[in-house]
Amino acid sequence: GQNIDQPTEMTATEGAIVQINCTYQTSGFNGLFWYQQHAGEAPTFLSYNVLDGLEEKGRFSSFLSRSKGYSYLLLKELQMKDSASYLCAVRRINAGNNRKLIWGLGTSLAVNP
Amino acid sequence: DGGITQSPKYLFRKEGQNVTLSCEQNLNHDAMYWYRQDPGQGLRLIYYSQIVNDFQKGDIAEGYSVSREKKESFPLTVTSAQKNPTAFYLCASSKTGIRDEAFFGQGTRLTVV
Repeated sequence: GQNIDQPTEMTATEGAIVQINCTYQTSGFNGLFWYQQHAGEAPTFLSYNVLDGLEEKGRFSSFLSRSKGYSYLLLKELQMKDSASYLCAVRRINAGNNRKLIWGLGTSLAVNP
Repeated sequence: DGGITQSPKYLFRKEGQNVTLSCEQNLNHDAMYWYRQDPGQGLRLIYYSQIVNDFQKGDIAEGYSVSREKKESFPLTVTSAQKNPTAFYLCASSKTGIRDEAFFGQGTRLTVV
């Protein structure tokens, strides 16, 4: 089957570092995306991993291990505006070469002063 | 500026009425998508289109219809057959290359009374 798991909620302190994990089970894996979504707004793209390893982009980094079906999003120097939901999405390709995104339920991060 | 626009942001309709949600993009993206987001649930795919004049059902297409007559436009009609239409609807578009992150519109919150 296909499944994506992320923690439902996390809390962190302004200025700290937080790691949001995502585990997945799927056939035809073809990349993993992280999105940020503020309440009532649209998701915005943060990062993309298709090969194992770490991708760094400013305060945000994302890691992927395909053999373990595992990814994490690392947020450094947390700011209040980072309070949002973080969505993990896995892209899979089926036998007909059709691509499909499978979405996790999201992790709601609260950053406290 | 390039982007993807959904309108309206808030929409109220009486039960039993069909309603059409607009989605327009000027990013020159081939692929467009409609998602539904409900509290406590991940993004669920309603319909998607990879090219003009072609579209495919997603996971929850029942009670919805779409058209793709122009590359820029992908309207979604919520019909009276949709049993629980009140939700947050998100339109997205993407390229169809290897790294095809989705860009989302601002969303339309539909309330059926």
